[in-house]
Amino acid sequence: LAKTTQPISMDSYEGQEVNITCSHNNIATNDYITWYQQFPSQGPRFIIQGYKTKVTNEVASLFIPADRKSSTLSLPRVSLSDTAVYYCLVQNAGKSTFGDGTTLTVKP
Amino acid sequence: SAVISQKPSRDICQRGTSLTIQCQVDSQVTMMFWYRQQPGQSLTLIATANQGSEATYESGFVIDKFPISRPNLTFSTLTVSNMSPEDSSIYLCSAAKQGAPTEAFFGQGTRLTVV
Repeated sequence: LAKTTQPISMDSYEGQEVNITCSHNNIATNDYITWYQQFPSQGPRFIIQGYKTKVTNEVASLFIPADRKSSTLSLPRVSLSDTAVYYCLVQNAGKSTFGDGTTLTVKP
Repeated sequence: SAVISQKPSRDICQRGTSLTIQCQVDSQVTMMFWYRQQPGQSLTLIATANQGSEATYESGFVIDKFPISRPNLTFSTLTVSNMSPEDSSIYLCSAAKQGAPTEAFFGQGTRLTVV
């Protein structure tokens, strides 16, 4: 599975939109792009998954260009409770390769 | 979705001993995996737990150190054998159902401290 690269950390303020970009240059045809959120002392929690173009659910949007070598997670109007580590990963048949994650800090 | 329960949630163990971690899923799943997360770091895949056969280990992990069982579609165990302080970590169970796309679910993890 392809390894992913994302910024180590990001800061934001409450109410802002946050975009976290991830690089996955070696993604394979059968791989899906998945984002997880992890709070301290908890397991990762699924946010969103996509294969190409745009996917939106009640908490986030995922943008994937045609070449699929990168993706962007968009969190609309973040709150303090969105402070967490966000992992971008490629997933194939449930098997995941985690990158280093992005620590998002939301400030008041 | 699937709910994953891990036992124990945490433990403190003496070096040289072994600990078995249990993972129970509330519904039948096709795939189960075990990960390790060292303090402040990302998750590393240890192995894929295969029902009725030997687990498939990732590079750097061996069966003698991390024996894994999966007797049925909803249950798996990971044993950390002959523990040393370097094994202190969080161990997480993950499960996924067959299909595309496949969403993987994670347990809350077992926090292991070896003294």
